[in-house]
Amino acid sequence: AQSVTQLDSHVSVSEGTPVLLRCNYSSSYSPSLFWYVQHPNKGLQLLLKYTSAATLVKGINGFEAEFKKSETSFHLTKPSAHMSDAAEYFCVVRYSGGGADGLTFGKGTHLIIQP
Amino acid sequence: NAGVTQTPKFQVLKTGQSMTLQCAQDMNHEYMSWYRQDPGMGLRLIHYSVGAGITDQGEVPNGYNVSRSTTEDFPLRLLSAAPSQTSVYFCASSYSRKTGDYNQPQHFGDGTRLSIL
Repeated sequence: AQSVTQLDSHVSVSEGTPVLLRCNYSSSYSPSLFWYVQHPNKGLQLLLKYTSAATLVKGINGFEAEFKKSETSFHLTKPSAHMSDAAEYFCVVRYSGGGADGLTFGKGTHLIIQP
Repeated sequence: NAGVTQTPKFQVLKTGQSMTLQCAQDMNHEYMSWYRQDPGMGLRLIHYSVGAGITDQGEVPNGYNVSRSTTEDFPLRLLSAAPSQTSVYFCASSYSRKTGDYNQPQHFGDGTRLSIL
């Protein structure tokens, strides 16, 4: 069965320092992977997606993620945090079987930016 | 472009009451779905639809009903509200797999915050 694990429920960084949000997935074959961001009282917005092309994926707002098949990881990074990055981040894996969209959501990582 | 619109934004119900959460999209998306979001649980799929007239159950369908009479609208009905249904509900839409691209992003509404007393 598909699963996705976000290794940290909360991450706190200072403004201007790098951000690392960790995500591991389990799969018997290469999945499609996504990162979504949720700001307070808002719906989820796509940051970036990996679909078996380049392993380093660039997204919006300076975020990027690297797909590492050997480590079954898809960690999200940003070189320099802004206050506006404070939000909830979800790692999502998609499998192609079944009639639903096949999405499995991680439990989320709450990113806190210290001034 | 409005995207995905959910109404109401907030609602308080008493146990046993019924209500309908509305969801509409103006992007001509074939695929629509309902999720619930609970603290520390991520999002869980309730029901989904791959097109008008077609619906199916997701991971947590009990206590909810859906219909899809038009491409635009996908209402979620709570038949008899229970405190366990207190949650934030999100509607999402995307292109269906018929387009050949199975990895179109989901477009989410801003959610309905529902409390059952």
